[in-house]
Amino acid sequence: EIVLTQSPATLSLSPGERATLSCRASQSVSSYLAWYQQKPGQAPRLLIYDASNRATGIPARFSGSGSGTDFTLTISSLEPEDFAVYYCQQRSNWPQTFGQGTKLEIK
Amino acid sequence: QVTLKESGPVLVKPTETLTLTCTVSGFSLSNARMGVSWIRQPPGKALEWLAHIFSNDEKSYSTSLKSRLTISKDTSKSQVVLTMTNMDPVDTATYYCARMPLELPFDYWGQGTLVTVSS
Repeated sequence: EIVLTQSPATLSLSPGERATLSCRASQSVSSYLAWYQQKPGQAPRLLIYDASNRATGIPARFSGSGSGTDFTLTISSLEPEDFAVYYCQQRSNWPQTFGQGTKLEIK
Repeated sequence: QVTLKESGPVLVKPTETLTLTCTVSGFSLSNARMGVSWIRQPPGKALEWLAHIFSNDEKSYSTSLKSRLTISKDTSKSQVVLTMTNMDPVDTATYYCARMPLELPFDYWGQGTLVTVSS
């Protein structure tokens, strides 16, 4: 089973700042890595698929990069609505797995 | 418009079997590209993938929970059903169903249903 490790666990930033979130896989997942955003009381929302493709309706300030075992989600300039928990997920191998999440909080 | 909606008991007793239903609309479970997974999230914790059913009725299960899970579908009713046996308080969680097209991750999710395991 592929283990995804996200860092940091918590990221404290201010609106307007740049956020960089990391996801590392225990073995290569090629580019089959997705990122989700989850706000309290809501289901996760797909942001990025296949490492770098924005899902429908996702603002351009969200971008993804990486391949193999190391991936990054970047939010170029934080908006108030971006403070949430972010999860990475791999679909390279079954069983599919999620990372433990990064909480992006307002500083 | 694609929607998924989970339904089932809000409270189950330890050792009981949980049965959850995911009713989908806006796409067909017989579509060769479409599969549906169940994913859960204990309060304040991370997402955990549980099971997936493919359009051709193949199934995949979480390694750690495989012995307790069964996933099935009724295409005519547009429903995917998950059963989990021998429930324990640690299984208390919000249970989600989510659509997964071929070559894509989970693009649509249900709202989730909170299941509490307590005597």
